[in-house]
Amino acid sequence: AQSVAQPEDQVNVAEGNPLTVKCTYSVSGNPYLFWYVQYPNRGLQFLLKYITGDNLVKGSYGFEAEFNKSQTSFHLKKPSALVSDSALYFCAVRDMSAGNNRKLIWGLGTSLAVNP
Amino acid sequence: ETGVTQTPRHLVMGMTNKKSLKCEQHLGHNAMYWYKQSAKKPLELMFVYNFKEQTENNSVPSRFSPECPNSSHLFLHLHTLQPEDSALYLCASSQDWPGAFIQYFGAGTRLSVL
Repeated sequence: AQSVAQPEDQVNVAEGNPLTVKCTYSVSGNPYLFWYVQYPNRGLQFLLKYITGDNLVKGSYGFEAEFNKSQTSFHLKKPSALVSDSALYFCAVRDMSAGNNRKLIWGLGTSLAVNP
Repeated sequence: ETGVTQTPRHLVMGMTNKKSLKCEQHLGHNAMYWYKQSAKKPLELMFVYNFKEQTENNSVPSRFSPECPNSSHLFLHLHTLQPEDSALYLCASSQDWPGAFIQYFGAGTRLSVL
């Protein structure tokens, strides 16, 4: 079965330190992978995607993610965290089963808290 | 501003009321989506429309009735809801190619059913 796992409900990091939010996936074929961020009382905002090409993908607000096929992971990273990065982060993978090509399979989300 | 506008932002309704949620996308996308977001649960896809045609209905109760009059507008009509339907309802849109299926979300409607 296709799935996405975000193993950490919450990640805490000090401002200025690097941050990592983890995501692993299980999907047939080559994955389309996405990261979204949700600020309080807002909808989800697209951060970055991996479809093909370089394993290191750069996105909005200084975020990047590394695709690792052997570990079926797509971890979100940022070299230096800001307090304003505090939000809920979602990993998603495109459903590759027949007839569902617009459907995304979502992780449960990871709450990131960046402390001043 | 993502180009997807949802109204109202907040809605309180009784179990016998009828109300509608509205979504409009200004991005020229072909697909539109309704999601339900509840605390501690995965994002639940409710309906998908492609060029006004419904392509997915994820076993959503009939008290939720979607309407897509054109590829820019999407409605969710609500009637005789239950308290467990209280949630954040999100609308999204996407473009197949070259949009790479990236979904763009509105800010959501926070629904409370009393």
